[in-house]
Amino acid sequence: DIQMTQSPSSLSASVGDRVTITCRASQSISSYLNWYQQKPGKAPKLLIYAASSLRSGVPSRFSGSGSGPDFTLTISSLQPDDFATYYCQQSYSTPLTFGGGTKVEIK
Amino acid sequence: EVQLLESGGGLVQPGGSLRLSCAASGFTFSTSAMSWVRQAPGKGLEWVAAISSSGGTTYSADSVKGRFTISRDNSKSTLYLQMNSLRAEDTAVYYCAKDFWSGYYGTYWGQGTLVTVSS
Repeated sequence: DIQMTQSPSSLSASVGDRVTITCRASQSISSYLNWYQQKPGKAPKLLIYAASSLRSGVPSRFSGSGSGPDFTLTISSLQPDDFATYYCQQSYSTPLTFGGGTKVEIK
Repeated sequence: EVQLLESGGGLVQPGGSLRLSCAASGFTFSTSAMSWVRQAPGKGLEWVAAISSSGGTTYSADSVKGRFTISRDNSKSTLYLQMNSLRAEDTAVYYCAKDFWSGYYGTYWGQGTLVTVSS
């Protein structure tokens, strides 16, 4: 099974800050890496697919990069609506696995 | 508009069974692979099972293999998860997700249904 390790597990940031979340796979997964945002009590929402493709309708302040085992989600200027938990997920092979999540909180 | 509506959750005793449903609308269900993903209270996301668009291929997590069965009825645009031999650790919100499949990503998710396994 491919293990996905996210860091940090939580962070505190202010509106306007640049935020970076990293995700490392236990083996190469090419670009089969997706990012989701989840708010309390709500279903996850797809933000980025195939490592760096922005889903239609997602603000351009979100971006993804990386390949192989190391990936990054960047929020260029954190907005009030962005306080949530973010998950990476590999779709390279089954079992499909998620990272442990990164909770972005208000400083 | 794509909509996924889960139902069938509830309280069940350990060792019991439950069948979840996910009614789909707003897209051609028979052309989309589907998955179930769960989230235990206060925990992260865990993929449970996936099924191809035709229903001919299924995958499941080791944690549910032999106990849970994913299926679909394309004529009813409905996805199912039959859960048997339920354990306390199966307590979670269960989401259905469109296109959540190897090589792809979960484009749309339902609102979830809570399954609680407790005596």
